[in-house]
Amino acid sequence: EIVLTQSPGTLSLSPGERATLSCRASQSVSGSYLAWYQQTPGQAPRLLIYGASSRATGIPDTFSGSGSGTDFTLTISRLAPEDFAVYYCQQYGSSPPTFGQGTRLEIK
Amino acid sequence: EVQLLESGGGLVQSGGSLRLSCAASGFTFTNYVMSWVRLAPGKGLGCVSGISGSGGSTYYADSVKGRFTISRDNSKNTLYLHMNSLRAEDTAVYYCARVQYFQDSRSYLFDYWGRGTLVTVSS
Repeated sequence: EIVLTQSPGTLSLSPGERATLSCRASQSVSGSYLAWYQQTPGQAPRLLIYGASSRATGIPDTFSGSGSGTDFTLTISRLAPEDFAVYYCQQYGSSPPTFGQGTRLEIK
Repeated sequence: EVQLLESGGGLVQSGGSLRLSCAASGFTFTNYVMSWVRLAPGKGLGCVSGISGSGGSTYYADSVKGRFTISRDNSKNTLYLHMNSLRAEDTAVYYCARVQYFQDSRSYLFDYWGRGTLVTVSS
């Protein structure tokens, strides 16, 4: 199965700053079938990005995804207070689907 | 609006059993593969099980194969996870998720999730 490694484990930034989160796969992700999710405490995880770069319904354009092969990036252009959360990447290019261990984005 | 509401979690002793339920609304339930995903303490997310829209095809992670059974009642728009022979390592928040199934990769994209139900297995 494909192992996804996210970095950094924790990212400390201030509102208004730009966040860059990384997801590296142990082998190439077929079709760029890579998704990003956001989770805040007590809430349902929310799909942000699919197909490496397509925003899900209702996701603001401050969120963008890029990458292919084994290296993928989630960028949040200007951090809003509600963006401080845990972010997970997930590949669905092969079975079984697998997730990264998460990046915690915290307020500096 | 898509809504998924899990229930049935709780505290159970090692070796015990539990049944989780997920009530779905806001979409045509029978048209979708559904899945259970868990978040264990200190670990990331992991797909536990999935079931086709008709219920005729299922998937299980190796860690739960032979112990967990996924099922669905399309007349009630409800997904279930029957968990037997529970172990301490099954302790997690269990999420119900709607799946976008990809035929070419035979894999899952999870587009809507519930808030989860906590299962704690005491040893």
